[in-house]
Amino acid sequence: EAEVAQSPRYKITEKSQAVAFWCDPISGHATLYWYRQILGQGPELLVQFQDESVVDDSQLPKDRFSAERLKGVDSTLKIQPAELGDSAMYLCASSLLVASDTQYFGPGTRLTVL
Amino acid sequence: DAKTTQPPSMDCAEGRAANLPCNHSTISGNEYVYWYRQIHSQGPQYIIHGLKNNETNEMASLIITEDRKSSTLILPHATLRDTAVYYCIVENTDKLIFGTGTRLQVFP
Repeated sequence: EAEVAQSPRYKITEKSQAVAFWCDPISGHATLYWYRQILGQGPELLVQFQDESVVDDSQLPKDRFSAERLKGVDSTLKIQPAELGDSAMYLCASSLLVASDTQYFGPGTRLTVL
Repeated sequence: DAKTTQPPSMDCAEGRAANLPCNHSTISGNEYVYWYRQIHSQGPQYIIHGLKNNETNEMASLIITEDRKSSTLILPHATLRDTAVYYCIVENTDKLIFGTGTRLQVFP
């Protein structure tokens, strides 16, 4: 069964350092999502891509976060500089098309900022 | 976006049916009800979704009331591996807005 791949699974960094997370969606899935999940809360959407284009980044803290999906396949989420409050699980999901398509999630990257 | 209300936690004995309720009284006609679950330290897993009719798959059944203001996810024979946080989500224009879900504990 096809799955969304993410790496690394765990990342520990010091504040003010740069970190990057990678996501490879299910093959053929046009839509890719990045979510952030703080401990004890549900996932919160950060950014949504349709192919290589950003369709929603309204919740992305653009002063320090950036996301790209250059060839419309895999994607990278970057934080620079990291802050203590960025400690969370970062989840990637993909769906086949856009409207009302089921989203399939990867295992996530757990970030700890010291 | 329509919001959902779920009990924060529930218990269920192994082998029994787990019935997880969800209220979504502000749902509109074209919004789907989705259920996901999240086992500790893993990504959310899709379970089932529906619009108006009841749905069943290999994992669960989804019962949606006629007025669509509430729904129930049924796990017919709960196992210890079903212990997880279950999220009921009303989806509109492909956006999933997660709440805090119901923590289901299945006990032996």
